[in-house]
Amino acid sequence: EPEVTQTPSHQVTQMGQEVILRCVPISNHLYFYWYRQILGQKVEFLVSFYNNEISEKSEIFDDQFSVERPDGSNFTLKIRSTKLEDSAMYFCASSGSLSYNEQFFGPGTRLTVL
Amino acid sequence: AQRVTQPEKLLSVFKGAPVELKCNYSYSGSPELFWYVQYSRQRLQLLLRHISRESIKGFTADLNKGETSFHLKKPFAQEEDSAMYYCALASGGSNYKLTFGKGTLLTVNP
Repeated sequence: EPEVTQTPSHQVTQMGQEVILRCVPISNHLYFYWYRQILGQKVEFLVSFYNNEISEKSEIFDDQFSVERPDGSNFTLKIRSTKLEDSAMYFCASSGSLSYNEQFFGPGTRLTVL
Repeated sequence: AQRVTQPEKLLSVFKGAPVELKCNYSYSGSPELFWYVQYSRQRLQLLLRHISRESIKGFTADLNKGETSFHLKKPFAQEEDSAMYYCALASGGSNYKLTFGKGTLLTVNP
């Protein structure tokens, strides 16, 4: 069964550094998402992406964040200058074309900002 | 703005006992609700959604618009049901975003 994959599984970085989190969505999916979960808190929506552009973004997704689909398979989340409060688990998800079709989640990348 | 509330952080039951995980929501539109489950060291996965009205692994959930609730129920809990359960509300149509509750950690004791 196809799955969403994410790399790396754990990323440690220094405050102020740029990080790129990578995701490979399920191949025939059209909608892509990033969510994050700070330890002990709820899973929060960051951004949705369709047809090579952002469809919606949350208040969390400020100018420090960007997303890209550089080729036909990868979907990346870049944080330009990481802050301590960016430490969280970041989940990528993808879904097909039907309305409210299931979102399939990746295993997550744990980002630790020191 | 939409909001999902799961009042119980932890729920512990014995095997064979009924279980109910509570979920309340706040949303001005027509709600589309989901339950996601995360077993230990596994990814989030969809358990069920209200629009399909199905029973998965013995779990059911009924949308009660009057009480703005979508509680998850199972008549006889099994040890393998131990997991983190998240209620989520969808908004946005095909390109919808999910608003999650904080989750309930269910432990089913032998």
